[in-house]
Amino acid sequence: AQKITQTQPGMFVQEKEAVTLDCTYDTSDQSYGLFWYKQPSSGEMIFLIYQGSYDEQNATEGRYSLNFQKARKSANLVISASQLGDSAMYFCAMREGDDSWGKLQFGAGTQVVVTP
Amino acid sequence: NAGVTQTPKFQVLKTGQSMTLQCAQDMNHEYMSWYRQDPGMGLRLIHYSVGAGITDQGEVPNGYNVSRSTTEDFPLRLLSAAPSQTSVYFCASSYNGRGGETQYFGPGTRLLVL
Repeated sequence: AQKITQTQPGMFVQEKEAVTLDCTYDTSDQSYGLFWYKQPSSGEMIFLIYQGSYDEQNATEGRYSLNFQKARKSANLVISASQLGDSAMYFCAMREGDDSWGKLQFGAGTQVVVTP
Repeated sequence: NAGVTQTPKFQVLKTGQSMTLQCAQDMNHEYMSWYRQDPGMGLRLIHYSVGAGITDQGEVPNGYNVSRSTTEDFPLRLLSAAPSQTSVYFCASSYNGRGGETQYFGPGTRLLVL
């Protein structure tokens, strides 16, 4: 069964606008971690943001914030004030359980294109 | 800090050949992992390690071997390459620190099996 679901295969967003990328996850573990990565066309995987299941506050890193709704099992990424350089593939991933350090499960990704 | 390094960047193999993808990290991370990324898909875990001398299988381990004799190095061996192993391979390392956890990825190796 799919553990990480990203329902938006692709989206266009205008420069300077905010964009929300959806991610839902499936786990019965109480301890887990959620990650977002950016993959530009050059291919590298760039870590953006992390949210632990026990973290009470939503994670933020600069223009990135994670809207963590535990009861709904959702971990949406919000990019504020989009820039042309934000055009990339974005992946949501989960580390599930306390014995899974170093093991991430990835969603299929969302392709974001930022237009002038 | 070089971070996570991978060699080679590109490789073409013939069916049945074997090869080793190299991965090294200089951050003294306990955990290291190998993933593959097929076109239009997310990454899938091949093998991982929680420390020197300890490895385990991930989601798609068949056709691959790993070993971890040092904290720094985690090579991935393709025993007998098949066209289905054409993919981009990423090595990653991570830690579980007080500030949370982060998994750092190498630049990837593009492998084509003919």
